[in-house]
Amino acid sequence: DGGITQSPKYLFRKEGQNVTLSCEQNLNHDAMYWYRQDPGQGLRLIYYSQIVNDFQKGDIAEGYSVSREKKESFPLTVTSAQKNPTAFYLCASSPRGLKDNEQFFGPGTRLTVL
Amino acid sequence: AQSVAQPEDQVNVAEGNPLTVKCTYSVSGNPYLFWYVQYPNRGLQFLLKYITGDNLVKGSYGFEAEFNKSQTSFHLKKPSALVSDSALYFCAATALIYNNNDMRFGAGTRLTVKP
Repeated sequence: DGGITQSPKYLFRKEGQNVTLSCEQNLNHDAMYWYRQDPGQGLRLIYYSQIVNDFQKGDIAEGYSVSREKKESFPLTVTSAQKNPTAFYLCASSPRGLKDNEQFFGPGTRLTVL
Repeated sequence: AQSVAQPEDQVNVAEGNPLTVKCTYSVSGNPYLFWYVQYPNRGLQFLLKYITGDNLVKGSYGFEAEFNKSQTSFHLKKPSALVSDSALYFCAATALIYNNNDMRFGAGTRLTVKP
């Protein structure tokens, strides 16, 4: 059963803690993305990776970090430097990262800072 | 930089009636346009896209969208709405000249179909 998985579904963090959100895909896609979704603002790109060991910042990368050591995995770390991290986080992938490819999305992780 | 506008936060229609969810875009050059749907606490699902060719694009679940270059619009339509179509709909746009990470999403339109 192919697709994208994200874990955990819900995550609670205390202020000052770093947390890592998992994203795994078995679609053999080259490109992977992390978005942040806030009510009324649509999706905003945090980071993007077109190939293994390469990634680029999106519009709101400050306070976040990523790695792409394996093609199927693209974890996102929300650091203590991110001042307002409470949001719904979506991971996506696409076959080659070309602009005419649609993206396949995971089910999301809802992060809440206590 | 490109941008996408979805002028309606909320659209309400009765089941069986036609529905339209509006989207306008601003990009340089020829646009690549997408519609996605999101159900509560889920990721986005792809509905349809316009890359080139016919202005009327047909997609999943009976949805279609019309590309209008002069009006820079890409409205999503369905001839007969179902209660199960109730969800959040996102329009997205990019173009060949932009970087690969430069896909812009609209703020979303919440569609409610009432029985």
